Amino acid sequence: QLQLQESGPGLVKPSETLSLTCTVSGGSISSSSYYWGWIRQPPGKGLEWIGSIYYSGSTYYNPSLKSRVTISVDTSKNQFSLKLSSVTAADTAVYYCARRGSITIFGDYYYYMDVWGKGTTVTVSS
Amino acid sequence: EIVLTQSPGTLSLSPGERATLSCRASQSVSSSYLAWYQQKPGQAPRLLIYGASSRATGIPDRFSGSGSGTDFTLTISRLEPEDFAVYYCQQYGSSPPGYTFGQGTKLEIK
Repeated sequence: QLQLQESGPGLVKPSETLSLTCTVSGGSISSSSYYWGWIRQPPGKGLEWIGSIYYSGSTYYNPSLKSRVTISVDTSKNQFSLKLSSVTAADTAVYYCARRGSITIFGDYYYYMDVWGKGTTVTVSS
Repeated sequence: EIVLTQSPGTLSLSPGERATLSCRASQSVSSSYLAWYQQKPGQAPRLLIYGASSRATGIPDRFSGSGSGTDFTLTISRLEPEDFAVYYCQQYGSSPPGYTFGQGTKLEIK
C-alpha cells in the first residue's frame, strides 16, 4: 500500500527558507502514471495547491507562489522535496504531499489526488 | 485562473437526511478534471469523487457527484454520523496548468 510521509522543521524564521521532504513508500516515485505534489492549509482555512513534479523533474507551480517555490525529486531515495523561500507568517500552515493519479477513458484524461500524506505543521515565527 | 465557489458555507443536517453541496466555477471546467474531497479534523483530505461523477475506490454509494460546465454537485443520499466533515471541490486547469480548490463546505450535525 502506497504511503507518503512529510518531514522537515516545524519552525522556520521569517525571511528564511522552508524545506520539506516527502518520502514515498510501498511504490515507486518513478511510475509514469503519476505526478507528485504539495498542498498546504493555513490554520482554519482551505486548501491551496503549491506545485507538482514528475519523476523526470518536470514541474509546474501555483502562479501566486511561483517566484518563491522550488520542487525537486530524488528518484534514488524515492523522495520529492519542497523549498519555499522568504517565508512570512502567512506561510504558516499544514503542508501535505500527495500523489496525483490519472486514468484515460475514451481519450479523456481524469486527474485526481488519491494518496495523501498525513501532513506536517510548519510555523513561521522568530 | 478559474475560481471555484462552494455553497453553502455551512450545512446543518441530521443523520439520515440528504445533503446537497454545490460547486460553481467562474468559467467552464472539464468534467474529467473535477474532483471532490472529504476532510475530517486533524486528517488529510480523502478523495471521494473524480471526473465529476466517478466514486473513488472504497467510497460508499451514498456519495454521488454530478454536473458539468460550471455547476457541479456532491450529494450524500443518507447521512451517516461519519459523514460530518468539510468537503472541497477541486479542478485542474490546463492553461496555465494547475489546481484550484473551492473554499469548502462544512457539513455539521443539526
